[in-house]
Parts: sequence; structure tokens; C-alpha cells
Amino acid sequence: EDQVTQSPEALRLQEGESSSLNCSYTVSGLRGLFWYRQDPGKGPEFLFTLYSAGEEKEKERLKATLTKKESFLHITAPKPEDSATYLCAVQAARTGGFKTIFGAGTRLFVKA
Amino acid sequence: GAGVSQSPSNKVTEKGKDVELRCDPISGHTALYWYRQSLGQGLEFLIYFQGNSAPDKSGLPSDRFSAERTGGSVSTLTIQRTQQEDSAVYLCASSPVSLSNSPLHFGNGTRLTVT
Repeated sequence: EDQVTQSPEALRLQEGESSSLNCSYTVSGLRGLFWYRQDPGKGPEFLFTLYSAGEEKEKERLKATLTKKESFLHITAPKPEDSATYLCAVQAARTGGFKTIFGAGTRLFVKA
Repeated sequence: GAGVSQSPSNKVTEKGKDVELRCDPISGHTALYWYRQSLGQGLEFLIYFQGNSAPDKSGLPSDRFSAERTGGSVSTLTIQRTQQEDSAVYLCASSPVSLSNSPLHFGNGTRLTVT
């Protein structure tokens, strides 16, 4: 069964304190791995798509990387406005690549 | 441009009543998804539409749940005889192409409370 596990469940950082969020996945034929950001009361907002091991994507203070078993979202010198829940999701070849399976997310709190 | 629109934003209903949740996807998006998010939990897949047909409805929790899509656009998720465990945020998302690997564009959800 396709599965996505995120850790930690919650992460508290001081402003400027860099860290990483982990997403471990088990899928039969990865079609794509996605990172989303979700603010309270809002729907998830797309950040990155990664397709193959070794791929990296960057956007402002965020950098996503991918291996054959996991993905990391690195946050460099975070600011309070980076506080949100970060969701990892995968699309698998078994489901034709259309069904997107989400992890439970990591809640990030950045204190000024 | 306009994003995915969901209505109502909040719905409080009594146990046993039926509810209808509406989703207006981004114009031209062929794929439409429904997810459920319980408090502090991740997103639980419910159903996926390609045009007006639903190739994958494997996530619908029971036969009290149904969904339809008309004109390749608006979708309605119906929950019959609501139960307290149905309380959650129901999120709709659309995707611009009929190919896989496309990211999802989400609405802000309908918060359903069953009393």
C-alpha cells in the first residue's frame, strides 16, 4: 500500500534557526512528489514538484530534495511568516498517477 | 484569475440530516478531487473526477457519501444521514490537465459540523 510519513509532527524554531522537515514514502512507481504549505483556515498551496532521485528545487528560503525513499524540505533562516503546516504528497504509477496521497504534515512554528 | 471556490464555507447540521457541498473548479481544469481533513490530520482522499466521470471513488467512507460533476465543471459532494464522525473540513481541488504529475489547486474548504 502506498504510504507517506512526515516527521516531526511539530517543529518550533527561533527566527534564523535553519532546519529540515522529512517525508518518507513507500509507493509502487513514483510519478511525482509534491510539497504544499497550508495556513490555518486555508486550503493547501502548492510549493514544489520533484520527479526523480537527486532532483532539487528552491524557492526563497525553502529547498526541497528527493532520494529514492524520502524527501527533505530544508528551511534556511526562517522568518515568522514561514509558520504553517507543510504537507508532503505523492502520486503513484499504480493509480495511474492521478490519486494524490498526503502525509499528515509538519506544523512549523517560527518565533521572532 | 479566480481560484477554486467552495460553498458554503461553514455548515452546521443536525445528526441525520443530508448536506450538499459545492465546488467550482478553476475554469478549464479537467480533473477535480475531493479530500477530507479532520482536526490536526492529513488529507484523506475521497474521490477523483476526470471530466464528468469518476475513475476513482475508492476513498468514499460509506454509501452515505456520493458525488457528481456536471458539464465538466461544478461538483457536488452529498452526505446523507450525517453522523458526528462526518465533522471535518472538506477540501476540493482541481488540476489543469488530464495527465498525471500535475499539482493540485485547492479551495479553502467547507467546515462541516454535525451536532
